[in-house]
Amino acid sequence: DQQVKQNSPSLSVQEGRISILNCDYTNSMFDYFLWYKKYPAEGPTFLISISSIKDKNEDGRFTVFLNKSAKHLSLHIVPSQPGDSAVYFCAASYKTGANNLFFGTGTRLTVIP
Amino acid sequence: KAGVTQTPRYLIKTRGQQVTLSCSPISGHRSVSWYQQTPGQGLQFLFEYFSETQRNKGNFPGRFSGRQFSNSRSEMNVSTLELGDSALYLCASSQILPGQNYGYTFGSGTRLTVV
Repeated sequence: DQQVKQNSPSLSVQEGRISILNCDYTNSMFDYFLWYKKYPAEGPTFLISISSIKDKNEDGRFTVFLNKSAKHLSLHIVPSQPGDSAVYFCAASYKTGANNLFFGTGTRLTVIP
Repeated sequence: KAGVTQTPRYLIKTRGQQVTLSCSPISGHRSVSWYQQTPGQGLQFLFEYFSETQRNKGNFPGRFSGRQFSNSRSEMNVSTLELGDSALYLCASSQILPGQNYGYTFGSGTRLTVV
């Protein structure tokens, strides 16, 4: 049973425009959320995270928004760059639980120059 | 500093065989977690080791096992391989304790193909 879902397997965006990647979760016990980026032949790398006590966290061109009532989060990349082309994974965890993450299935972002 | 090292990078095994994958975490990281990545399933948590003890386990059959050594290096073993075990196996190390920020660093993975 997939508790974290990324319903868009792929997304294409023009360079310079905004990329919006979406993620939904079903478990209301999750209270810490992360985004990872993965290039081919490499492991995922941490991008940005957000705690459930916040609704927004920003780091440079990357902003994550959390809507707890809708159990939805999104990652905004502005402006998008060709180097952002990768697979993006959303992940969630229980703050007080063990050190394991529940991942979505990923969204492949292609930024077109 | 050196990253998380996984060996081998690629592996081809025959159905029914067993396989052992190795992971060397970042120096000072005591937590090692293993994930299986397959198309359409994303990353699925296998287990986590901390100070040589399995601290948490995902929903995988008993054919999947692991261990951690005193130097924090970890191995995972899959016995009686099935075709469906073909996947990218990722190891992640962390020095963070539960309840705190997650400082996962992933290795590049071992690509296992079962034929």
